[in-house]
Amino acid sequence: AQKITQTQPGMFVQEKEAVTLDCTYDTSDQSYGLFWYKQPSSGEMIFLIYQGSYDEQNATEGRYSLNFQKARKSANLVISASQLGDSAMYFCAMRRHSGGSNYKLTFGKGTLLTVNP
Amino acid sequence: DTGVSQDPRHKITKRGQNVTFRCDPISEHNRLYWYRQTLGQGPEFLTYFQNEAQLEKSRLLSDRFSAERPKGSFSTLEIQRTEQGDSAMYLCASSPQRGGPADTQYFGPGTRLTVL
Repeated sequence: AQKITQTQPGMFVQEKEAVTLDCTYDTSDQSYGLFWYKQPSSGEMIFLIYQGSYDEQNATEGRYSLNFQKARKSANLVISASQLGDSAMYFCAMRRHSGGSNYKLTFGKGTLLTVNP
Repeated sequence: DTGVSQDPRHKITKRGQNVTFRCDPISEHNRLYWYRQTLGQGPEFLTYFQNEAQLEKSRLLSDRFSAERPKGSFSTLEIQRTEQGDSAMYLCASSPQRGGPADTQYFGPGTRLTVL
């Protein structure tokens, strides 16, 4: 079974500062994908960034980067130059790439990020 | 390209009533998923369609729940004899088969169900 742990229920950051949201995972699979989604108060889950377990480079998408440490089973999200619009819930998720149920996402409980002006 | 749409966005019902939600995936996405999200939790997988075939149902999906995707396009999720414990956000997502990266799932805005 796969498990995602997000230990930070809430985080605060000043506008224009960088912030790291923690995510650790547990799986016995060798091939898997890690995802981060943003959920504003409106409810929609917005895809941010993806990291494959065999990717040698850490993923980056604009102001988002993923600090992937495979041996530690961690996939932390780094948001640079925070903006007020970044205030939202952030979810880490994973999906196995092969075997049974290799299409469903397993989510953590999320971290509520608040960006202060 | 339009995103995933869900209807209604909000539904308030009395315990024991039946409710039905609709999801329209991104066009040409042949994979469709339903998730349920309760307060303070991440989404939990409910069921998955590839085209019109329902390939997996979570144990969370009791006999009161049924999902269909009759023509491989839109999907409906019906809950019969609703209970207060069914109150949650119901999220639909879609993905292209062998899309990239790694078949990312794109979510709709969700339907928030409140059972009184």
